[in-house]
Amino acid sequence: DTEVTQTPKHLVMGMTNKKSLKCEQHMGHRAMYWYKQKAKKPPELMFVYSYEKLSINESVPSRFSPECPNSSLLNLHLHALQPEDSALYLCASSAIAGGTDTQYFGPGTRLTVL
Amino acid sequence: AQTVTQSQPEMSVQEAETVTLSCTYDTSESDYYLFWYKQPPSRQMILVIRQEAYKQQNATENRFSVNFQKAAKSFSLKISDSQLGDAAMYFCAYRREPSNSGYALNFGKGTSLLVTP
Repeated sequence: DTEVTQTPKHLVMGMTNKKSLKCEQHMGHRAMYWYKQKAKKPPELMFVYSYEKLSINESVPSRFSPECPNSSLLNLHLHALQPEDSALYLCASSAIAGGTDTQYFGPGTRLTVL
Repeated sequence: AQTVTQSQPEMSVQEAETVTLSCTYDTSESDYYLFWYKQPPSRQMILVIRQEAYKQQNATENRFSVNFQKAAKSFSLKISDSQLGDAAMYFCAYRREPSNSGYALNFGKGTSLLVTP
């Protein structure tokens, strides 16, 4: 099973709302990633978790708060977002050492901030 | 930072024909990995092919193959016998050799491939 799932598929929120994006994988991968993708642009890395610890933070604003409660789950908590944060948010996972290192992507959550 | 350049924003190919997508990159590393990812419209990003820099042999996956020129820092993707389902945005990506803390992919801007009947 090489599947990464993400919920919800679509999310519309106001600038004062608090919401969360969820990502799950059951491939035994110990690295998980959040990317932001604007239309017709490449994905931009936001965060990397390895062994459930934050290992890379690409200077993302604090209104985005990641969380990795266990090795299969990755959340992205959203608060006080701006309209320019509207984008497709992609989750990915990979092995860290040994085995295939391919990043497997989820289908994404399309976020609209009003 | 390692940069990845895809100089063709859009390409078009007829069904059953062959098309080559270009990618160049800039790095001072000697060990690294290169990838081509495919993202169909409103669908999931999937890996097409990967190449380890230390391998001289070009990677192939069925109808997809690469021309890896390490000295020239070039990594082009050839799609043979193009099919309608190949229509997608194609991203070239670079990453450094494995680390023990996950890794970052640097993506090019992408090439939108149109396949015509």
